[in-house]
Amino acid sequence: GAGVSQSPRYKVAKRGQDVALRCDPISGHVSLFWYQQALGQGPEFLTYFQNEAQLDKSGLPSDRFFAERPEGSVSTLKIQRTQQEDSAVYLCASSLPQGMNTEAFFGQGTRLTVV
Amino acid sequence: SQQGEEDPQALSIQEGENATMNCSYKTSINNLQWYRQNSGRGLVHLILIRSNEREKHSGRLRVTLDTSKKSSSLLITASRAADTASYFCATFTGNQFYFGTGTSLTVIP
Repeated sequence: GAGVSQSPRYKVAKRGQDVALRCDPISGHVSLFWYQQALGQGPEFLTYFQNEAQLDKSGLPSDRFFAERPEGSVSTLKIQRTQQEDSAVYLCASSLPQGMNTEAFFGQGTRLTVV
Repeated sequence: SQQGEEDPQALSIQEGENATMNCSYKTSINNLQWYRQNSGRGLVHLILIRSNEREKHSGRLRVTLDTSKKSSSLLITASRAADTASYFCATFTGNQFYFGTGTSLTVIP
């Protein structure tokens, strides 16, 4: 597709439920990032993939968060046993390798509300 | 935690006026990027300035970079109501983009 696509756009989960958020990056983009954005705040880094390798997961807030990109394209962010504090917008971005001084393209995000 | 800070946090101007927002960051960088985010939407890339550049223009946007002060500014000239959005600066270090807290710009028609 022309841009980064995320689905679903909105997700309401009951506390304790597992959720899976999908990101389709721009074709050919090696780098893929997940960010979490709380209301009124800037995006906070969660994890980074280069192709299928998860090179950095230092931003994942707990072991309930898990991300994968098994074939180096589509990525899924999974949150197990959701808590209210997980409510946020989850943004996915893709780019060419950053050594090329290139921009990151963001998807529209998935707004997760845990009730 | 976020690396950058935008200043001011909120800015309200009349249509046609210029808007200036500033960004400070903490570590050495290869480049600095500015993004816009409309309410409830994703981030849209506006402009990238490399560490060896001091000023860059794109349409009504003018970005400056002072690496000695670790700061950047974004100027939007002849603002329009459609410029109403949040603006973020971002630096890339290690494996991640670091974003500031953003400037919320309101342009009053």
